[in-house]
Amino acid sequence: GAGVSQSPSNKVTEKGKDVELRCDPISGHTALYWYRQSLGQGLEFLIYFQGNSAPDKSGLPSDRFSAERTGGSVSTLTIQRTQQEDSAVYLCASSFDGSQPQHFGDGTRLSIL
Amino acid sequence: SQQGEEDPQALSIQEGENATMNCSYKTSINNLQWYRQNSGRGLVHLILIRSNEREKHSGRLRVTLDTSKKSSSLLITASRAADTASYFCATQKNSGYSTLTFGKGTMLLVSP
Repeated sequence: GAGVSQSPSNKVTEKGKDVELRCDPISGHTALYWYRQSLGQGLEFLIYFQGNSAPDKSGLPSDRFSAERTGGSVSTLTIQRTQQEDSAVYLCASSFDGSQPQHFGDGTRLSIL
Repeated sequence: SQQGEEDPQALSIQEGENATMNCSYKTSINNLQWYRQNSGRGLVHLILIRSNEREKHSGRLRVTLDTSKKSSSLLITASRAADTASYFCATQKNSGYSTLTFGKGTMLLVSP
């Protein structure tokens, strides 16, 4: 597609369940980023991919969070044993390379009950 | 931690007026970027200004950067109701890859 696509757009799940969030970046973009945005807050960086490797995982808040990227394209962010504080909008962005402006998807709104 | 801090947190103006938002940051940067976010949507890149630039224009947008004061401003001239959104500044420390660090944003409301 023309833009960054994220799915699902909304996800409601019970505390303790695992969730997978998907990001399909713009074709040809080698860099991919995950951010978390809590209500009324700015963006919190989670992880950066260049191709299939993740040279910067410094923003992942705990070992319950992991991400992978396959084929230099689609990425999946997995949160295990979800907690209520994980409730947020998870945004994915891609760029042509790590130095170019980022293009964002519309995010996945995650609600943990 | 937040690198950029925008002010004001919220701004309400009438259509046709100018809107000015400010951003301050703490450490040296390679560039500063402004993004817009409409409610329930992702961020849209507006403009990038490098540390060796002082002013940049794009349509109705004017961005200034003062590296000695570690501050930037975004001016939207002749605002429209469609400009209603949250505006974020983001800083990047290095050329090439480095993390974009976002502020908490300014919420702009433009009334018809």
